[in-house]
Amino acid sequence: GENVEQHPSTLSVQEGDSAVIKCTYSDSASNYFPWYKQELGKRPQLIIDIRSNVGEKKDQRIAVTLNKTAKHFSLHITETQPEDSAVYFCAAYQGGSEKLVFGKGTKLTVNP
Amino acid sequence: GAVVSQHPSWVICKSGTSVKIECRSLDFQATTMFWYRQFPKQSLMLMATSNEGSKATYEQGVEKDKFLINHASLTLSTLTVTSAHPEDSSFYICSASKAGAWETQYFGPGTRLLVL
Repeated sequence: GENVEQHPSTLSVQEGDSAVIKCTYSDSASNYFPWYKQELGKRPQLIIDIRSNVGEKKDQRIAVTLNKTAKHFSLHITETQPEDSAVYFCAAYQGGSEKLVFGKGTKLTVNP
Repeated sequence: GAVVSQHPSWVICKSGTSVKIECRSLDFQATTMFWYRQFPKQSLMLMATSNEGSKATYEQGVEKDKFLINHASLTLSTLTVTSAHPEDSSFYICSASKAGAWETQYFGPGTRLLVL
């Protein structure tokens, strides 16, 4: 089955710096890769997603890149703000079992 | 749009009792709903996938007789934890999709269950 590895597990940056979180997946047939942000005690919220027919997608300060050959995708947050502090989860859609497989999460802390 | 509610938000119960959690899509029809379990500081672990009008598909290791799932309409799915025990204490989160897992999943706010 699909396996999603996410790194780093924790990331601390200064306000205004960029943050990058990386994920790798094992199933070459995976074709949908969402990123979720979860604040403490709250629901996960979709922040950006990408499908396998696209190499990069951007939404204001957030971007996601996908390298299908290497089977990895990354989340890039520029000009980080304290309110970006949260746990971020990547996920990959496994078509065979029709489910999302989540990474273990990255706790991002943006220091003012 | 795409709001999912979950009720109750938290529940405390005695060991051996059953607890029902409701998940509702408020402004869209959810063809597929998903139930996850999340332990503190851990990832989301899929328990089961349910499609309206059909039996739920459970993940390996999840007891279908203990975690009863009903998806009776396109806007409501329920998870019943039967004969709950302290090890069932966790954060249960549902999500809903307008199609399947290949489309955006909208998450509910979660239910924190504590079994004494």
